[in-house]
Amino acid sequence: QVQLLQSGAEVRKPGASVKVSCKASGYAFTTYDINWVRQASGQGLEWMGWMSPNSGTTGYAQKFQGRVTMTRNTSIGTAYMEVNSLRSEDTAVYFCARGVYSTSSGDFEYWGQGTQVTVSS
Amino acid sequence: QSALTQPASVSGSPGQSITISCTGARSDISAYNFVAWYQQSPGKAPRLIIYDVSNRPSGVSNRFSGSKSGNTASLTISGLQTEDEADYYCSSYTSRKTVVFGGGTKLTVL
Repeated sequence: QVQLLQSGAEVRKPGASVKVSCKASGYAFTTYDINWVRQASGQGLEWMGWMSPNSGTTGYAQKFQGRVTMTRNTSIGTAYMEVNSLRSEDTAVYFCARGVYSTSSGDFEYWGQGTQVTVSS
Repeated sequence: QSALTQPASVSGSPGQSITISCTGARSDISAYNFVAWYQQSPGKAPRLIIYDVSNRPSGVSNRFSGSKSGNTASLTISGLQTEDEADYYCSSYTSRKTVVFGGGTKLTVL
């Protein structure tokens, strides 16, 4: 069965960086885009961007352009999402997600369990 | 890209039907049939319940149905059950090749 297993909770100081991993299993990793979505406590879902594990091509929400980088290691079936210049507003649960279709269209059928990132001085 | 507009809350009694609206723009909901709906319980990851406007993933009850007219999508839950109490989010693909979510709707089953 399809599973997305994310790395554990992180605490960072403002201005630092954090890198969250998402290990895929149960399907061919390079055949489906991986998307990242975050959710601050008590708030709604916010789409951050997508990555093609096959080509490494990425697309980011305008809000995150230049501050977020999505990468992958195909040999271990793992996607990564790094956020730089962290600020308190980045405190949230970060999810990776895979769609119904191989390319990103917003239909996220499989989700990781979420990774809490806390930014605090 | 502005978030899609959903009502903050809706409520209904067991057995009733409710509808949640999701309003977007010509660049998202109107332009594509890539509207999805998610159910989220506290502390859990979202669960896809509708994709491509009206399709249900395997295992999702047929009490959930979706539709779209112009720039507004709708989720209808019929035969409300207490277990349906959760937050519901819509999403749409956009002309900028991005995805936008609605602000979420809290469903209370009275």
